[in-house]
Amino acid sequence: DSGVTQTPKHLITATGQRVTLRCSPRSGDLSVYWYQQSLDQGLQFLIQYYNGEERAKGNILERFSAQQFPDLHSELNLSSLELGDSALYFCASSVTGQGTDTQYFGPGTRLTVL
Amino acid sequence: GENVEQHPSTLSVQEGDSAVIKCTYSDSASNYFPWYKQELGKGPQLIIDIRSNVGEKKDQRIAVTLNKTAKHFSLHITETQPEDSAVYFCAASWGIPTNAGKSTFGDGTTLTVKP
Repeated sequence: DSGVTQTPKHLITATGQRVTLRCSPRSGDLSVYWYQQSLDQGLQFLIQYYNGEERAKGNILERFSAQQFPDLHSELNLSSLELGDSALYFCASSVTGQGTDTQYFGPGTRLTVL
Repeated sequence: GENVEQHPSTLSVQEGDSAVIKCTYSDSASNYFPWYKQELGKGPQLIIDIRSNVGEKKDQRIAVTLNKTAKHFSLHITETQPEDSAVYFCAASWGIPTNAGKSTFGDGTTLTVKP
């Protein structure tokens, strides 16, 4: 158990809908990262937050947004969902958010868009 | 941006044999190279990492080597066991100048250890 929690574990929704994924980092970690894992694309970095502020952006679509709250939990919002958004979404956390930090991954949320 | 290539994509070994997975990266600024193991239905878990000021690191049956000149690093698993069967990912990231923890991951290697 990494100490990172994600809810929900599974999410099934329809195209065009909007969903919110939630992540709670390990105690003491200030930085949160979001990744998308599709069958044919491996792990893709989406976005990173540090202590409430956006720190780095990867291949995140404009339909997706995220934020980190004062209690350090983070939410990833996915809107106007398409079939291709079906994937595993992982959250990870680390202490300082620097590139040499160890990242601890949560168990993931499996999103299915029908 | 950084590009990480990982080989092979699948690897099958007999229990007790060694397994080697190799990664190459493109950005010479990368200075942190973790390896993750992902079991079915779970998130990736860090198994070993190496920083650019070190050439080799070992932890029991697992070792990682880094060649900064050639920009490649490898994971070595000795005396493999069936429970080593999983998907293994390498990654490369850098801490300066932006201090952003953005990691680039390889595409993964599915390791199967046959009893």
